[in-house]
Amino acid sequence: RKEVEQDPGPFNVPEGATVAFNCTYSNSASQSFFWYRQDCRKEPKLLMSVYSSGNEDGRFTAQLNRASQYISLLIRDSKLSDSATYLCVVNHLRDNQGGKLIFGQGTELSVKP
Amino acid sequence: DAGVTQSPTHLIKTRGQQVTLRCSPKSGHDTVSWYQQALGQGPQFIFQYYEEEERQRGNFPDRFSGHQFPNYSSELNVNALLLGDSALYLCASSQTGTSQPQHFGDGTRLSIL
Repeated sequence: RKEVEQDPGPFNVPEGATVAFNCTYSNSASQSFFWYRQDCRKEPKLLMSVYSSGNEDGRFTAQLNRASQYISLLIRDSKLSDSATYLCVVNHLRDNQGGKLIFGQGTELSVKP
Repeated sequence: DAGVTQSPTHLIKTRGQQVTLRCSPKSGHDTVSWYQQALGQGPQFIFQYYEEEERQRGNFPDRFSGHQFPNYSSELNVNALLLGDSALYLCASSQTGTSQPQHFGDGTRLSIL
């Protein structure tokens, strides 16, 4: 079993739709959590960190449930430019202070006009 | 301020050959991590270098080795290449002791024939 598992995807949605990505992690010692975005044949880029209290950045909302070892990302009013692969990432250290990032396999999102 | 730079961008090798990939970290960063990303998968941690020493290692064979230089740049060496080594190799840099996220380079796409 992989340490970080995501919805297999791909997700194909119309512009303006709300999209939810789910992720589970198996190591309860994980300390920090992130969502990365990766465009085709490009490097992963940090989208947002995920905190236990939940956090929001514009149209993006991330949630963490430590008891269930579950992470989610919600995108509201999706745009064509949101089309990318979304990677769920955990780290055994706090605040991304080095340490190895453990990636899920990624979920591809395609937003159509 | 240059970000993380990797070279070469693309590389084609044959089975059994050896390859060296290079990474220059973002200015001010002292820690370099290497990841392998196979097609359709999330990046997998290979190892991390800090203060010219390998600090952490993932589940990769000894054919994968690395080095960090006094200027914090790093090399990834892979010996006895296998077809399965074909992947995007990503370098990420960070500043140990801070909460700043790891920054990724554009990657080196390695193809083994």
